[in-house]
Amino acid sequence: DVKVTQSSRYLVKRTGEKVFLECVQDMDHENMFWYRQDPGLGLRLIYFSYDVKMKEKGDIPEGYSVSREKKERFSLILESASTNQTSMYLCASRGPRDRGSSGNYGYTFGSGTRLTVV
Amino acid sequence: QKEVEQDPGPLSVPEGAIVSLNCTYSNSAFQYFMWYRQYSRKGPELLMYTYSSGNKEDGRFTAQVDKSSKYISLFIRDSQPSDSATYLCAMSVLTQGGSEKLVFGKGTKLTVNP
Repeated sequence: DVKVTQSSRYLVKRTGEKVFLECVQDMDHENMFWYRQDPGLGLRLIYFSYDVKMKEKGDIPEGYSVSREKKERFSLILESASTNQTSMYLCASRGPRDRGSSGNYGYTFGSGTRLTVV
Repeated sequence: QKEVEQDPGPLSVPEGAIVSLNCTYSNSAFQYFMWYRQYSRKGPELLMYTYSSGNKEDGRFTAQVDKSSKYISLFIRDSQPSDSATYLCAMSVLTQGGSEKLVFGKGTKLTVNP
């Protein structure tokens, strides 16, 4: 099974700090994603990457940046953390899509990092 | 209008009941339709996905897609307390750059009571 590992389950940071959230997958997937999940708002896409050093903005990229220097690792960076970035952050990866009836569509999520900015 | 609408519930049913979860959507460009299950303090896990209109069955779970009505459903038969979780619908769409992303509903919290 694909494993997506997020380095921290819980983080507490101060306003203005630079914060790094790390995500590693072990299945050589090209596509990796960062979402945040908030009550009443659901999952919203921040950034994604479709190859090493390639990235594309999601729906709410403001205040965030990303880095993908190696295929297995996708980092989310909060340049200057603010209290409105307190959230659950979820990383996901996806491999090639198998259109067969028994194929695996292949989006796999990590367990999440709950970030609190104080 | 949100791209994907999902009733957040909460939904509480007795063990053994049939559960029906639904999402509507407005974007005709959505391609794949998925249901995820998320237990408390865990990441979402894929339950089912489908590409075309119709039904797809997997054990106690049936996913239904009606593209003409822009409506998808997940049915859970003989529900169990272990089915208690938040259920998220998700739909894939191509971005302007030609990549693919998922758009999620807000999730429905389900509790199955013993």
